[in-house]
Amino acid sequence: IQLTQSPSSLSASVGDRVTITCRASQGITIFLAWYQQRPGKAPKLLIYAASTLQSGVPSRFSGSGSGTDFTLTISSLQPEDFATYYCQQLNSYPLTFGGGTKVEIK
Amino acid sequence: EVQLVESGGGLVQPGGSLRLSCAASGFTFSTYWMGWVRQAPGKGLEWVANIKQDGSEKQYVDSVKGRFTISRDNAENSVSLHMNSLRAEDTAVYYCVRAPATGAKRDFDYWGQGTLVTVSS
Repeated sequence: IQLTQSPSSLSASVGDRVTITCRASQGITIFLAWYQQRPGKAPKLLIYAASTLQSGVPSRFSGSGSGTDFTLTISSLQPEDFATYYCQQLNSYPLTFGGGTKVEIK
Repeated sequence: EVQLVESGGGLVQPGGSLRLSCAASGFTFSTYWMGWVRQAPGKGLEWVANIKQDGSEKQYVDSVKGRFTISRDNAENSVSLHMNSLRAEDTAVYYCVRAPATGAKRDFDYWGQGTLVTVSS
């Protein structure tokens, strides 16, 4: 299953609302996770089951979607949110990741 | 506190072998799937392999099938990745991950710090 993320990069300002999309090449029900990776660090789980916030993750992060189309939304971008975001499908093997979306400071 | 600590990375020649290890602590290791994810320099994430709680099921990405073997020791709370016939394209940071698979909670909820494998002559 291929995952296509868009955009591949974006520039935004602190306080902006940011939306990242992830499209699966076939239906994956709700088995989609989102991760944040800061430079030089391991990825961190943000969202699982398409829309469930991982414990300890700020509520400005939210996820939605099912089937083939998913979104990650950051309601008000904070300085620590500038990073690369990846979606991942866990519906079937081989597990796959999207190509990533780099969120940069405008 | 959940901790995953990888070791075993390094420089290896093409065609060579390497064994990565991951020491887990802070949770009941035998009740979780575990896995490995890699990231080539400047590139995205690629899932490599997963292993079931009792080791009875193992899954691999096609590009490593027949060359890599994932294993675990529940008595030692560790998971390993044995890598043979290494190629330049296997060069990456390798992350150990905890992989819950309970109901709708399928994800990689904890990651190690990663260990770098460089395949070069």
